[in-house]
Amino acid sequence: QVQLVQSGAEVKKPGASVKVSCKASGYTLTAYYMHWVRQAPGQGLEWMGWINPKNGGTNYARKFRGWVTMTRDTSISTAYMELSRLTSDDTAVYYCARGGANSPLLGGDYWGQGTLVTVSS
Amino acid sequence: QSALTQPASVSGSPGQSITISCTGTSSDVGGYNYVSWYQQYPGKAPKLMIYDVTNRPSGVSHRFSGSKSGNTASLTISGLQAEDEADYYCSSYTSSSTVVFGRGTQLTVL
Repeated sequence: QVQLVQSGAEVKKPGASVKVSCKASGYTLTAYYMHWVRQAPGQGLEWMGWINPKNGGTNYARKFRGWVTMTRDTSISTAYMELSRLTSDDTAVYYCARGGANSPLLGGDYWGQGTLVTVSS
Repeated sequence: QSALTQPASVSGSPGQSITISCTGTSSDVGGYNYVSWYQQYPGKAPKLMIYDVTNRPSGVSHRFSGSKSGNTASLTISGLQAEDEADYYCSSYTSSSTVVFGRGTQLTVL
């Protein structure tokens, strides 16, 4: 069965970077786009961007351009999201979510369990 | 890209029907039949309830249905049950090949 398993919770200091992983199983990573979505405490869902694992192509939300980087390692079926220059506003749960088959649509049929990133001095 | 507009909260009694609206623009909701709806319980990942405006994934109750008119999409839940109490989010594909979410609607079952 399809599963997306994310890395564990992180605590970071302001100004640091964080890299969250999302390991896919039950399907071929390169066959579907991967999206990243975050949710600050008590807030709504915020779309961050997608990566096409087949060729590494990306498209980021305007807000995150310049400080988010999405990558993948197809040899281990894992996608990554790295956010730099962290501030307290980046404290949130970060989710990976499977996109469309060879399509940037957010399929949203499978989600990771979420990774809590806490930014605190 | 501005968030899609959803009511902050809706409520209904068991057995009733409720509708949650999701308003965007011609660059997102109105321009594509790629609106999805998600249900989210506290501390849990979102669950896909409706995709491509009207389609239900396997396993989702027939009490959930979606529609769209112009720049506004809607989620209707009929025969409201206590277990439906959750947050609901809409999302849409956009002309920039990005995705935009609504701000979310808290559903209370009275």
